[in-house]
Amino acid sequence: RKEVEQDPGPFNVPEGATVAFNCTYSNSASQSFFWYRQDCRKEPKLLMSVYSSGNEDGRFTAQLNRASQYISLLIRDSKLSDSATYLCVVNPRGFNKFYFGSGTKLNVKP
Amino acid sequence: DTGVSQDPRHKITKRGQNVTFRCDPISEHNRLYWYRQTLGQGPEFLTYFQNEAQLEKSRLLSNRFSAERPKGSFSTLEIQRTEQGDSAMYLCASSAPGAGETEKLFFGSGTQLSVL
Repeated sequence: RKEVEQDPGPFNVPEGATVAFNCTYSNSASQSFFWYRQDCRKEPKLLMSVYSSGNEDGRFTAQLNRASQYISLLIRDSKLSDSATYLCVVNPRGFNKFYFGSGTKLNVKP
Repeated sequence: DTGVSQDPRHKITKRGQNVTFRCDPISEHNRLYWYRQTLGQGPEFLTYFQNEAQLEKSRLLSNRFSAERPKGSFSTLEIQRTEQGDSAMYLCASSAPGAGETEKLFFGSGTQLSVL
């Protein structure tokens, strides 16, 4: 079983739409969680950390559900520039590595 | 530019040749990671350094792969006797977790390897 699983998509949404992605992780000892954004043929860039209480950064909201071992990312008022692949990342306690999901592709269309 | 720097950006080589990639992390970062990414997949962990010590190595890394970070600053990743299956983007990331802070990875632009 993969450490981190994501729906690959693509999610095709119109500008202005709200879209949500989920990601599940297998290691219950995981302690740090992130969403990264990756544009085609570019490196992953940190979008936001995910905290237990949930957190928001502008149009982006991240939530963590430890009991069910999933993380979510909500994007409101989608922009064309939000088109990218969104990677879910988990860092288990005691592990010197970060586990990446395969990514969820988002296409925002005019 | 104070970000993570990788060189070269692209490398085309013939099967059986050796290749070496370089990574210069953000200067104050003591941790350095190498990841590999193929099309449609997320980055896969290869190895991790804290300062000059290589503390972890993935089972994905065959004995044809070796990484060094001799002075705890830049790192090199060498692949010997390349195979077509080695074709991928090789990503370097660095971090500097502070006390009580969540460690976060910052990536370089990667080296795209094509083995013909």
